[in-house]
Amino acid sequence: ELKVEQNPLFLSMQEGKNYTIYCNYSTTSDRLYWYRQDPGKSLESLFVLLSNGAVKQEGRLMASLDTKARLSTLHITAAVHDLSATYFCAVDTTFYGGSQGNLIFGKGTKLSVKP
Amino acid sequence: EAGVAQSPRYKIIEKRQSVAFWCNPISGHATLYWYQQILGQGPKLLIQFQNNGVVDDSQLPKDRFSAERLKGVDSTLKIQPAKLEDSAVYLCASSLVRGQETQYFGPGTRLLVL
Repeated sequence: ELKVEQNPLFLSMQEGKNYTIYCNYSTTSDRLYWYRQDPGKSLESLFVLLSNGAVKQEGRLMASLDTKARLSTLHITAAVHDLSATYFCAVDTTFYGGSQGNLIFGKGTKLSVKP
Repeated sequence: EAGVAQSPRYKIIEKRQSVAFWCNPISGHATLYWYQQILGQGPKLLIQFQNNGVVDDSQLPKDRFSAERLKGVDSTLKIQPAKLEDSAVYLCASSLVRGQETQYFGPGTRLLVL
């Protein structure tokens, strides 16, 4: 069974600080997604990582993928209050034998950025 | 471009009642997904459609849940009868091509079963 684990599950940080959210998954996959969810809202796509060593950046967020280590990271640089949300990673199960598009989500990391 | 539309946004029912949710995907998106998101957890896939055919319903509790996608566009998800543990947010998502594109999520329907 494919498992996706995120840590930390809760993160409180001050504005201006840097931090990293980790996403580990239990079996081989070649496609990983990061989503953002604001309270009471739906999921917003942030990044799609398609190959080993992939790195993508948007504003203060940078995501990377190491398929050999089965690890993705979401790095936050100089956090601002607007980044407060829950961040999910999701792994595509196709390589594992699942149907294409079947995503397994982590439990999410609830980020709170305080002034 | 209009996003994924869902209705209703909120629903409160008593256990053993039935309920239905509606989803209209992004125009032109062939693949449609229904997810269940229980409070504090990530979404879990219930069923996936490619056009109007079911691709994967392995995690759908078929004794009480059903879904259809007539004409390959809109979809409905039904629960009958509902249980307390069905309280969750039901998210609909769509993608242009199955497994090759980002899934775009709708606002969700928040269901509370009393």
